[in-house]
Amino acid sequence: AQSVTQLGSHVSVSEGALVLLRCNYSSSVPPYLFWYVQYPNQGLQLLLKYTTGATLVKGINGFEAEFKKSETSFHLTKPSAHMSDAAEYFCAVSAPNFGNEKLTFGTGTRLTIIP
Amino acid sequence: SQTIHQWPATLVQPVGSPLSLECTVEGTSNPNLYWYRQAAGRGLQLLFYSVGIGQISSEVPQNLSASRPQDRQFILSSKKLLLSDSGFYLCAWSHQGQGTEAFFGQGTRLTVV
Repeated sequence: AQSVTQLGSHVSVSEGALVLLRCNYSSSVPPYLFWYVQYPNQGLQLLLKYTTGATLVKGINGFEAEFKKSETSFHLTKPSAHMSDAAEYFCAVSAPNFGNEKLTFGTGTRLTIIP
Repeated sequence: SQTIHQWPATLVQPVGSPLSLECTVEGTSNPNLYWYRQAAGRGLQLLFYSVGIGQISSEVPQNLSASRPQDRQFILSSKKLLLSDSGFYLCAWSHQGQGTEAFFGQGTRLTVV
């Protein structure tokens, strides 16, 4: 079974500052990893995903994440925060299961941007 | 392109009343379908998933049930709602295959009173 831990349920950064949201995973097999964003009272939107290949993954809205197997981490970063980045962010993991993968989500990190 | 529709957006129901939430997917065939519940501070909890018509797997024992009467239709039901059933319910779909992401509906805010 796989699991995800998101460190910090709330993160505040100043506009223009670096955004760093932490995610550590546990999986008995090489995982697939995802970051999603959720705006209030809406569904989740995929930011980026890692399956195989390059460990640095670039996503939408200037976000990127790096898969570090030795640290079992998949932290999300953005060099310069924008007010529109304020939202809740979820890290998720799935493991190969013959096409029947299920996503397991972390508890989320609420990002606040300080003007 | 593929789209997912989930309704209603909000719902207020009395304790003991029945529930039916519907989700449909357009533009794809034979998708995996999921129902999640989101509670504050607890992330997303997978309730049910389905890999085909009539094939439903339940992740947690609870007061809810799910059905998939058609390939692209997924229904979440309850015969008698409990206060603890309140929450934000999200339907999602994914392609069958390794490493595929899930695509989410807009969610239903259910309040049981």
